[in-house]
Amino acid sequence: EPEVTQTPSHQVTQMGQEVILHCVPISNHLYFYWYRQILGQKVEFLVSFYNNEISEKSEIFDDQFSVERPDGSNFTLKIRSTKLEDSAMYFCASSYETLNEKLFFGSGTQLSVL
Amino acid sequence: DAKTTQPNSMESNEEEPVHLPCNHSTISGTDYIHWYRQLPSQGPEYVIHGLTSNVNNRMASLAIAEDRKSSTLILHRATLRDAAVYYCILKLYNTNAGKSTFGDGTTLTVKP
Repeated sequence: EPEVTQTPSHQVTQMGQEVILHCVPISNHLYFYWYRQILGQKVEFLVSFYNNEISEKSEIFDDQFSVERPDGSNFTLKIRSTKLEDSAMYFCASSYETLNEKLFFGSGTQLSVL
Repeated sequence: DAKTTQPNSMESNEEEPVHLPCNHSTISGTDYIHWYRQLPSQGPEYVIHGLTSNVNNRMASLAIAEDRKSSTLILHRATLRDAAVYYCILKLYNTNAGKSTFGDGTTLTVKP
């Protein structure tokens, strides 16, 4: 079965530094998402992306966050100035359509902000 | 967002069937019911989804109540690998349907 690939699997950074998390969605998918999960808590929606623009974002996704699909295959999440509370597992997901279609999730990037 | 309610935890014996319930009394007529699971240290994994009729696939069955206010995920023979958190999610027609709102889910423990 096709997979969503995320790199790196672990990222350690200092508070205030910029980080970019990388994702390669499934090749024919059109909708792309980032979710995060703080240790021991729920999976939380961050942002959805379609047709080269953000289609919806949550309250968590503030000005420190941005997403990009720079080359038609990669989908990145950038955090401009990391905070301690950004420490979490970040999951990328993709789907071909939305309502009647399953999401494929990557295995996640564990971000630790020190 | 329409809410779902699931028990916090359930236990099963290996190789026995498991019925995981979900209540969604505020569901709208065009909302799809999706189930995902999350194995330890992994990303969520799609299990099954449906609209009105019962659904079967290689992983599980989904039984949807006639009034659609509840549904049940059925694992026909639980294995140790099925131990996970199971999430019942409504895909809302009138929003960005791609967004999935995960609740607390049901933690399934499978005993050998």
